[in-house]
Amino acid sequence: QVQLVESGGGVVQPGGSLRLSCAASGFTFSSYGMHWVRQTPGKGLDWVAFIRYDGSNKYYADSVKGRFSISRDNSKNTLYLQMNSLRAEDTAVYYCAKGYSDYDLPYFDYWGQGTLVTVSS
Amino acid sequence: QSVLTQPPSASGTPGQRVTISCSRSSSNIGSNYVYWYQQLPGTAPKLLIYRNNQRPSGVPDRFSGSKSGTSASLAISGLRSEDEADYYCAAWDDSLSGRVVFGGGTKLTVL
Repeated sequence: QVQLVESGGGVVQPGGSLRLSCAASGFTFSSYGMHWVRQTPGKGLDWVAFIRYDGSNKYYADSVKGRFSISRDNSKNTLYLQMNSLRAEDTAVYYCAKGYSDYDLPYFDYWGQGTLVTVSS
Repeated sequence: QSVLTQPPSASGTPGQRVTISCSRSSSNIGSNYVYWYQQLPGTAPKLLIYRNNQRPSGVPDRFSGSKSGTSASLAISGLRSEDEADYYCAAWDDSLSGRVVFGGGTKLTVL
């Protein structure tokens, strides 16, 4: 069965950096686009970034463009999110989500359990 | 403010039919498909509807989606207590380099 397991969350000071990982299993990772979606505790969903199956295309939310970088290692079945210049408003649970198709980008068919990132001094 | 606007709350009694709306405020979303997610407390979201009105396998036919003009709707018929959850609409926004946008979410309470 499909499993997505995020790791790397924690507490970081404003202006700091953190790298999240998402280990994927149960499907051919190298054939699917992947997303990061975040959710501030008690608030709504906020899409962060998408990377195409081969890494050739990437999209970012305006709020993270220039600070966050999405990448993947298909040989390790792992998705990454490098987060730099972190701000208090980046505090959230970060989910990785499997994309269903490049023609249905808002279609996330599997989600991880999430990892909490807290930006605080 | 999200480019997809949802009512913050909705409610109904068991067996009732409830609808949740999702209005687009940006022409950049235009006629793009709308997707609906259900998030039960303490869990990750789950897809309920894709491409405006299509149900993935395993989603009960009590859930249905529709689109009319700049608005989309999620309808839940035969309301059950286990339907109490947050519901989000989503769409692709063609502005600038493109992005996925979510509505602000609607908390559904089963009375």
